[in-house]
Amino acid sequence: NAGVTQTPKFRVLKTGQSMTLLCAQDMNHEYMYWYRQDPGMGLRLIHYSVGEGTTAKGEVPDGYNVSRLKKQNFLLGLESAAPSQTSVYFCASSYSIRAGEQYFGPGTRLTVT
Amino acid sequence: AQSVTQLDSQVPVFEEAPVELRCNYSSSVSVYLFWYVQYPNQGLQLLLKYLSGSTLVKGINGFEAEFNKSQTSFHLRKPSVHISDTAEYFCAVSPSAGGSYIPTFGRGTSLIVHP
Repeated sequence: NAGVTQTPKFRVLKTGQSMTLLCAQDMNHEYMYWYRQDPGMGLRLIHYSVGEGTTAKGEVPDGYNVSRLKKQNFLLGLESAAPSQTSVYFCASSYSIRAGEQYFGPGTRLTVT
Repeated sequence: AQSVTQLDSQVPVFEEAPVELRCNYSSSVSVYLFWYVQYPNQGLQLLLKYLSGSTLVKGINGFEAEFNKSQTSFHLRKPSVHISDTAEYFCAVSPSAGGSYIPTFGRGTSLIVHP
């Protein structure tokens, strides 16, 4: 089992460019999440999904869009990148949204110049 | 809604010394509690969790945590730390009934173990 994988691992964007981050999990989990991690801020939830075809906003959704067309994949899109979106992005999945532990990917380090 | 406060942003300690990382939470409903560890340049992984039952929970790598409902705390402890325990530690809470079911994470505590 690969667990949760994220593509790419690193990316540098210029302001205004767009990109998509891909998250894939092979554990048949229903629930998937996108977080951003910034120094001193901990993890902040961007968007999440409770199943294939569903998405919902988290704490900091502005400037991001997501899609969950297949159960195993959760995509995070930046339509017009801004320097404030420079961060480390983590994807996670879980079998239960309350009591289940979250399994995290290795992260994507994004720099927007 | 719930919230999590990790009282120390950084905890330096010498190797083989005991350590306690503090976590307090607030919630209007009963909660499940988690501790995660993040080693440098890696994602988070679960150390331990409290769902119900015994308030003393044992996790991986010799860590344990105690749930104290009256003090709304879930402090993480290890009797003797190793250099390899140097990492960021996150406390998280999710409601066990009602409310928003999305886990809330604390801001993290950086454990720095010196030789």
